Amino acid sequence: SQTIHQWPATLVQPVGSPLSLECTVEGTSNPNLYWYRQAAGRGLQLLFYSVGIGQISSEVPQNLSASRPQDRQFILSSKKLLLSDSGFYLCAWSNGRRGYTFGSGTRLTVV
Amino acid sequence: TQLLEQSPQFLSIQEGENLTVYCNSSSVFSSLQWYRQEPGEGPVLLVTVVTGGEVKKLKRLTFQFGDARKDSSLHITAAQPGDTGLYLCAGVMFSGGYNKLIFGAGTRLAVHP
Repeated sequence: SQTIHQWPATLVQPVGSPLSLECTVEGTSNPNLYWYRQAAGRGLQLLFYSVGIGQISSEVPQNLSASRPQDRQFILSSKKLLLSDSGFYLCAWSNGRRGYTFGSGTRLTVV
Repeated sequence: TQLLEQSPQFLSIQEGENLTVYCNSSSVFSSLQWYRQEPGEGPVLLVTVVTGGEVKKLKRLTFQFGDARKDSSLHITAAQPGDTGLYLCAGVMFSGGYNKLIFGAGTRLAVHP
C-alpha cells in the first residue's frame, strides 16, 4: 500500500533562518507530488508541483523553493524565512486516477 | 478571491440534525472531490464526483455534483459528534499542462452531543 511521510510535525524557526521540509512516498512510482500551504480561513494554496525528478513548477511567487532529487522525495526549502512563511505545510501525492493523498503536515511558526 | 466558494464557513449543530454544505464556482471542473480534515492532520479524501448530476452516497453522507459541473453539495443526515471536522471541496481543473486541484476555504462543522 502507498504511504506518505512528512516531517517534522512542528517547527519553530527564527526569522532569517533556513528551512528544509521533507516528504517521501512509498509504494508507488513516478507519483505527482505537491506542496500546499494552509492558512486559517483560506483553504489550501498550491505552492509547488512536480511530475518527475528535477521537474518543479511554482504556482505563486514567494520566498520558498522546492526540489525533487529522487522519484519519491520532495523537499520544500527557504534560504531565509519570513514571518509570513508561518503556516501549515502539506505534502501530497497523486497518480492521476484517484484523489490526492496528503501527509500529516508540518506546523511552521516563524518567530 | 477564492475560485471555489464554500458555505457556510462555520456550522454548529446538535447531534441528530441534518445539514448541507455548498461548494460553488463560476468555473467548470472535470471532477470535484470532497475531503475531511481533522486538526493537525492532512485532509482525507471522502469522494470524487465526475459526471454532471452525479449523486454518491457514503453512509449518512450524500454528495451531489451540479449538472453544469460548477458546483457541488454535501448533505449529512442525522449528524453525529464523530462528523466534526473541516470539510473541504476541491475542483480538478486542467491548466498549464496538468490537472490542478483547487481547494475551497472549507466548512468547519461542530456536532454537539
